[in-house]
Amino acid sequence: NAGVTQTPKFQVLKTGQSMTLQCAQDMNHEYMSWYRQDPGMGLRLIHYSVGAGITDQGEVPNGYNVSRSTTEDFPLRLLSAAPSQTSVYFCASSYDRATEAFFGQGTRLTVV
Amino acid sequence: KNEVEQSPQNLTAQEGEFITINCSYSVGISALHWLQQHPGGGIVSLFMLSSGKKKHGRLIATINIQEKHSSLHITASHPRDSAVYICAVRSGGAQKLVFGQGTRLTINP
Repeated sequence: NAGVTQTPKFQVLKTGQSMTLQCAQDMNHEYMSWYRQDPGMGLRLIHYSVGAGITDQGEVPNGYNVSRSTTEDFPLRLLSAAPSQTSVYFCASSYDRATEAFFGQGTRLTVV
Repeated sequence: KNEVEQSPQNLTAQEGEFITINCSYSVGISALHWLQQHPGGGIVSLFMLSSGKKKHGRLIATINIQEKHSSLHITASHPRDSAVYICAVRSGGAQKLVFGQGTRLTINP
């Protein structure tokens, strides 16, 4: 099993550009979430989903959109990139909220 | 004050030493996670626990619900244990995990 797969691993964007970070899992997990990791801070929740067709906002949702059309995929869209969105992004999934979380390898995004 | 506090923030030790990393939290929880992150790498789940103690190889995790405190121990530490160790909690009915800032562990040969 591949687990949780994130693409790309690295990305450089210019301010104002848009892009989509991909996240896919092959474990039939209902729960999926996106976090960002910044120096000196713990991981912070951006958006999460408890199943296909259901998404909700986390702590820091501004500037990001998500959708969950299938159980497997949970893409994160940056609508108009800003330097404040320079960060490392992690996607995670779990069977439900009471079980172990599996993380992707991360996407290091730089906005210039 | 953060909901999840880890100590120490940085820890350097010699190979073979017994390591303890602490995590204190201020909310009622349904589960606590210990995670490991190698430099430039992804995040791996080490333990998920809601009571008592769990052991996996040289790693031991304990939790005291009454004191709102958990510890991660590493016995016979090795340079490959060098990583950032992250504590995260899930409160009662919450959908999200709340993360500590991490403890950077360096084991010198």
